[in-house]
Amino acid sequence: EVQLVQSGAEVRKPGESLKISCQGSGYSSTNYWLGWVRQTPGKGLEWMGIIYLGDSDTRYSPSFQGQVTISADKSISTAYLQWSALKASDTAMYYCARLSNSWSPFGHWGQGTLVTVSS
Amino acid sequence: EIVMTQSPATLSLSPGERATLSCRASQSVSSNLVWYQQKPGQAPRLLIYGASTRATGIPARFSGSGSGTEFTLTISSLQSEDFAVYYCQQNNDWPRTFGQGTKVEIK
Repeated sequence: EVQLVQSGAEVRKPGESLKISCQGSGYSSTNYWLGWVRQTPGKGLEWMGIIYLGDSDTRYSPSFQGQVTISADKSISTAYLQWSALKASDTAMYYCARLSNSWSPFGHWGQGTLVTVSS
Repeated sequence: EIVMTQSPATLSLSPGERATLSCRASQSVSSNLVWYQQKPGQAPRLLIYGASTRATGIPARFSGSGSGTEFTLTISSLQSEDFAVYYCQQNNDWPRTFGQGTKVEIK
């Protein structure tokens, strides 16, 4: 069974850095993509970017390019989402999700990681 | 980027009724259109991909149609577990983009 397990909720102050993770299981290869989706309180879904576990090829939404860094460690089937300097507006639920290829839908989703940025 | 517009924002219906949700793309996305369902406190779930193909385990009462810029998700007879928010997403062009969602609520 495919499972995506995300790291736990985080509380940070503005200006602090943060790295959250998403580890996949239930499949043997690294020939797939993992993506990140933001959901702000009471709002909809925003596609942030995706990364190919095999070679770390990454695609970003222009809205998030330069604001976050998506990375991966294929040896542990894990993708990361990182901020160098958080802002209050980064407060949101962040979901990771798996795609079979870059043209696929998000077929499996993690449980979400709530990030709260507040002074 | 392609803008996805869903309508209506909220649909108030009774169990057993038919739900028709619309999604419009600002430019053609061919048949590369996906529907997700999200219930409160849960991650989204894949319902439909390729505009009309049901994902594994999705009941037959859910159907998708359309191509180009106009798409429809139909729930033939609403069950209690179908009251949720539904999002469309295009995966034809970069960046992928979501619609703002349609909430199907109990009337």
